[in-house]
Amino acid sequence: ETGVTQSPTHLIKTRGQQVTLRCSSQSGHNTVSWYQQALGQGPQFIFQYYREEENGRGNFPPRFSGLQFPNYSSELNVNALELDDSALYLCASSSGQEGHTEAFFGQGTRLTVV
Amino acid sequence: AQSVSQHNHHVILSEAASLELGCNYSYGGTVNLFWYVQYPGQHLQLLLKYFSGDPLVKGIKGFEAEFIKSKFSFNLRKPSVQWSDTAEYFCAVRNTGFQKLVFGTGTRLLVSP
Repeated sequence: ETGVTQSPTHLIKTRGQQVTLRCSSQSGHNTVSWYQQALGQGPQFIFQYYREEENGRGNFPPRFSGLQFPNYSSELNVNALELDDSALYLCASSSGQEGHTEAFFGQGTRLTVV
Repeated sequence: AQSVSQHNHHVILSEAASLELGCNYSYGGTVNLFWYVQYPGQHLQLLLKYFSGDPLVKGIKGFEAEFIKSKFSFNLRKPSVQWSDTAEYFCAVRNTGFQKLVFGTGTRLLVSP
């Protein structure tokens, strides 16, 4: 186990709805990154939070937003869900903003948009 | 932009066969390199990583990888696979100045007993 926990594990939403996914980072880690893994693809970087500030963003529209809390846990919010948002959403935590550290992944949240 | 190519999408091997999975990346600067494994129903786990130093790195479960800078490659190897190695394998690269990982599309390995 990595110590990174995500909730919920599975979720079904209707197109147009909004969803919030949650991630608790590993103890001692202050950086959380979110990834989207579509079926048959590798994970794609959504954004990263470092000490409660967004610290880089991938090629995702603004309806993907996030938060990081003082305890370094994080939320991913997706508004106006589209069918193509169906994917496994992965959270990864690490220590530090850069440098020789590795990311530890949670088990992910499987989102299905119908 | 960085990208990672994994040449084999599906690999089928018998137990005790040798494994080599190809990974090439495109980025001109200094990078960190990773191989992750995803067993069915489990989270992504780090197999091995390269940050600097000896280009031949050893990871868990008997895996190793060689960083060849001139070829922008980081191929994964294992001399003798086991049925329990059945999983999906992802190569990833990271700019040393940032935590963002760029993943390849993955290679699905099936090891038959």
